[in-house]
Amino acid sequence: DAGVIQSPRHEVTEMGQEVTLRCKPISGHDYLFWYRQTMMRGLELLIYFNNNVPIDDSGMPEDRFSAKMPNASFSTLKIQPSEPRDSAVYFCASSLGWGASNYGYTFGSGTRLTVV
Amino acid sequence: AQTVTQSQPEMSVQEAETVTLSCTYDTSESDYYLFWYKQPPSRQMILVIRQEAYKQQNATENRFSVNFQKAAKSFSLKISDSQLGDAAMYFCAYRSAVKAAGNKLTFGGGTRVLVKP
Repeated sequence: DAGVIQSPRHEVTEMGQEVTLRCKPISGHDYLFWYRQTMMRGLELLIYFNNNVPIDDSGMPEDRFSAKMPNASFSTLKIQPSEPRDSAVYFCASSLGWGASNYGYTFGSGTRLTVV
Repeated sequence: AQTVTQSQPEMSVQEAETVTLSCTYDTSESDYYLFWYKQPPSRQMILVIRQEAYKQQNATENRFSVNFQKAAKSFSLKISDSQLGDAAMYFCAYRSAVKAAGNKLTFGGGTRVLVKP
């Protein structure tokens, strides 16, 4: 299995621009998570989906952030407009079912976002 | 809400020696899961070891073992015979076993491990 695939690996954008991060979960996994990692705040859960439905988006920082999962094999995290304080590493992770989550999640390699 | 605290920002260990990383957590739940993840410079989050709260026996995975003290809400990681490849950030994480609490991993702030040759 190719694991959780995120793209791009690095993204540099100018303040005010729209940024879209992409994630392909492991085939068959029905949970998908978006995390953000910063030096100041560590690893924070932004949102997670179950069977393509958003379950908890309480971690989404502002209305500028939105996430979608149009099908079981693809999810996006969009920031519009982007700001320098959005600079972080964004991780996508997936898990096979509630019970399997007891064994942890599989993480992608992350997207390092830099907003200048 | 559950919180996870790692009080050691950085730990240094000599190659082949042992290092112990601390983790404490706060929860009112009795059933949960605890994890240690490793994040090397490549950024990849790698699951090192997990512990079920209902099990008294401490988990062990090769050179990695935990000391789980449920009453004290403590979950430390011991790395034995440290190798250069163990150099990384290590994160402690908590997950509730109660479905109503949601499927969330809550992470501590991390401990950086340096391995000296």
